[in-house]
This record gives sequence, structure tokens and C-alpha cells, in this order.
Amino acid sequence: GDSVTQMEGPVTLSEEAFLTINCTYTATGYPSLFWYVQYPGEGLQLLLKATKADDKGSNKGFEATYRKETTSFHLEKGSVQVSDSAVYFCALTGGNQGGKLIFGQGTELSVKP
Amino acid sequence: DTGVSQDPRHKITKRGQNVTFRCDPISEHNRLYWYRQTLGQGPEFLTYFQNEAQLEKSRLLSDRFSAERPKGSFSTLEIQRTEQGDSAMYLCARGRAGNTGELFFGEGSRLTVL
Repeated sequence: GDSVTQMEGPVTLSEEAFLTINCTYTATGYPSLFWYVQYPGEGLQLLLKATKADDKGSNKGFEATYRKETTSFHLEKGSVQVSDSAVYFCALTGGNQGGKLIFGQGTELSVKP
Repeated sequence: DTGVSQDPRHKITKRGQNVTFRCDPISEHNRLYWYRQTLGQGPEFLTYFQNEAQLEKSRLLSDRFSAERPKGSFSTLEIQRTEQGDSAMYLCARGRAGNTGELFFGEGSRLTVL
């Protein structure tokens, strides 16, 4: 079945460092890809999405490019802030899945001042 | 505010008891999803409704679990004869049909089974 694999955390960075969180997927058909974020004490929020190959999703300085050839959707940010500390989830959904999301296991990011 | 309220936020119960969680989404979206999240894992899909119709149930949803959405607005998730393995965060989310994948999650209901 469809699945998502993320790099294991926790990831600890200093403020202003470059961030990459790897995400690869296995899917039949042509899934849409998402990054969701869970800040401490809050619910999951959509961060960005891409619906077809080569699309780039972006939001709040974060970017991810839908790479069909490598089945990847890595999350990047050029300069992280302490406020970016959260758990990040890669997810996918396909046209035959009723809109439900399949999530990776999450990657915890901790940014130190 | 994601427009999804869940109640209770935390429930502690003894093994074998029944528990019920409620989800109240704002009315603009007609799809409602239930997920379960355990510590250190991503959310796992349980079931979803379009209006009042339950369209899909995961194999994770054993016979002890039942979900309803009687009027296409709020939803309940009941767990009968709870087991320690049911301890988890139960998440509810709303979404629009056709706009797949863009879900708005509540803050969850945490279940602890002693």
C-alpha cells in the first residue's frame, strides 16, 4: 500500500542554519504531497502542498519540490528560527483514497538560539 | 482556530470501560475524518464521513470502535471495552470534498487507559 518515510529525528539546529527534512513516498497513481506541522500544544496545520510532479510548494520560508523520478518531497528552509521548533509530518493522498492523508512518522525539529 | 472542537481534551479510564469522544466542526466543510496518533508516530487514518455517510473505515477500526455523524455536523467516536493499547491521541479533522488533503485538525482528545 501507499506509504511515506521521513528521516528520523530529533533534528537540532542553531538559529539561521539551513534545514532539510527528507521525505520519500511509495504510491500508486499520482498522489498529492503535503507537509503538515505540529507546534507544541497545538493541532496539526497544513504547511505546504504540491499536487503534481515538479510543483514546488512554499509557505513561511519553507519549500518542497515534488520529485516524481526520486519519489521525494524534501522540506527545506534557508534560515530557521527558534519559532520553527515543531514536529513536521510529510503526507500524501491520492485520487482513490477519499481525501484521506497517509502520514509519515514525523520529524521533530528543535532550533536553539 | 481551525474550526474543529474536540471534547474531552483528556480522558483517563480503566481497562474495560467505554469512552466516547465528540468532534464539532464548523459547518462549511462536508467531510469529517478521525485519526489516531500514538507517541512518536504520525496520525493513522481511522474513518471518514461525507455529510452523514461513513464512506471508509480502516482495518485499524476494530469491532470495539464505532463512529457516527448523525446529522452531518458533529461526530462521535466510541470505544467499547477499552484496552491499554487504545491509549493514544484521537484527532478529528474537517475537509472539503474535492479539495483532498487540505484538512483542518482539532487539538485532539487524549485517551489514557489504565
